[in-house]
Amino acid sequence: DSGVTQTPKHLITATGQRVTLRCSPRSGDLSVYWYQQSLDQGLQFLIQYYNGEERAKGNILERFSAQQFPDLHSELNLSSLELGDSALYFCASSAPPGGPVTDTQYFGPGTRLTVL
Amino acid sequence: DQQVKQNSPSLSVQEGRISILNCDYTNSMFDYFLWYKKYPAEGPTFLISISSIKDKNEDGRFTVFLNKSAKHLSLHIVPSQPGDSAVYFCAASAWSGGSNYKLTFGKGTLLTVNP
Repeated sequence: DSGVTQTPKHLITATGQRVTLRCSPRSGDLSVYWYQQSLDQGLQFLIQYYNGEERAKGNILERFSAQQFPDLHSELNLSSLELGDSALYFCASSAPPGGPVTDTQYFGPGTRLTVL
Repeated sequence: DQQVKQNSPSLSVQEGRISILNCDYTNSMFDYFLWYKKYPAEGPTFLISISSIKDKNEDGRFTVFLNKSAKHLSLHIVPSQPGDSAVYFCAASAWSGGSNYKLTFGKGTLLTVNP
C-alpha cells in the first residue's frame, strides 16, 4: 500500500459528460502528479501541483483541469468527454514537508474511466 | 518523440535465473532514473532508482546499471521469482527548477517468470 488513495476505482460515463477524479496523497506529501495510461501507452504525465500551486504541465488537454486543495488532496476534472479519453488515470505524490524533494513518486491504484 | 524507450515489450525467464530489463533514453538532461513494477489493476510500485552521478545501485535482488555515454540503463533481477511477474516501467526525470520532477515513462516490459 503506497498510502495514496484514489476514488472512484471505476467510472463509466457517456460522451459529452464531465467527471471528477479524486486523489489523496500520502500523509503530508506536498506534491501531487496526475498521469494517464491509455491502451498500449506508457504513463503520460498530465499535470503537477505542489502545495496548492500548479508547477508543471504535460500533455493535458484544455478540456481537462485540476486543482489541489488546502488539505493537499487533488481533483482532476475531465469535461466534454470523448471515447478516446477512456484510460487509467493515476495520481502520484511525493515531497513530504521538511524532507528531501526527490524524484521518487508513489502511485495510487488508479481510476479506470470508460467513456461510452 | 519517445524520450524513454523500452524496446522489448515482453521477456520470459525461468525461476532462479537472471532477468535483465533494458531501457534507452534520448534526453541528455535526464539526471534521475527509476524503475517501477506494475501488477494488473494496481498502480505502479517504486522499485529502485539511480542518480546520474552513479553507475550502479543495488537493493536486494534488484540492481540498476546506468551507462550515461550510451544513454542506457538496465534492471537486473537475480534470482528471478514467479512473484516478479509484472510489467516493469523505466522512468526518467530532469530537474526543472523548484519542486518540478515530471517523470517520463517508457511503455513497459512484461516480465514473466516461469516456475
